[in-house]
Amino acid sequence: DQQVKQNSPSLSVQEGRISILNCDYTNSMFDYFLWYKKYPAEGPTFLISISSIKDKNEDGRFTVFLNKSAKHLSLHIVPSQPGDSAVYFCAAETTSGTYKYIFGTGTRLKVLA
Amino acid sequence: NAGVTQTPKFRVLKTGQSMTLLCAQDMNHEYMYWYRQDPGMGLRLIHYSVGEGTTAKGEVPDGYNVSRLKKQNFLLGLESAAPSQTSVYFCASTLPSRGPRFFGPGTRLTVL
Repeated sequence: DQQVKQNSPSLSVQEGRISILNCDYTNSMFDYFLWYKKYPAEGPTFLISISSIKDKNEDGRFTVFLNKSAKHLSLHIVPSQPGDSAVYFCAAETTSGTYKYIFGTGTRLKVLA
Repeated sequence: NAGVTQTPKFRVLKTGQSMTLLCAQDMNHEYMYWYRQDPGMGLRLIHYSVGEGTTAKGEVPDGYNVSRLKKQNFLLGLESAAPSQTSVYFCASTLPSRGPRFFGPGTRLTVL
């Protein structure tokens, strides 16, 4: 049973436009979420996180939105750049302090120049 | 700073052979993690450590052992490799903070 789901395996966006990557989760006990970016043949890179006490967190071009009632989070990248082309993973902590993060399967973003 | 490094980058084993993957970090981080990534799947936690001399099981610990004798090193061992352990292995480290923050470049392991 996939507790963290990224239902879109891929997404293409024009350079300069907004990229929206989505993540759904099933466990209402999840209280901390992270987004990572991964280039081929490299390890993931941490991008941004959000606690369940917030509904939005912003860092430069990256904004994460959390909708707890819908068990949904999204990552917005504005404006999108060709260098943003990568696989994006969301992750959620199963229970606070367990250090066990469940990762989604990833969404491949392609930003077209 | 080298960050998080992993040795080796690639390895091919035969079924039943053993090997050790080394993860090293020079950021004085307390927490270290070992993950595996398989095609079409997210990263899955194998084992983790919250400090020198401590280790704990993650989601998929069977067939693996770990040790954290020094704060900067986290070793992942396969005692008797199986084809199901063919994967890309990532190590990560972090200060005491929520979530793995710094990842190594990965080790691609093939078990024949």
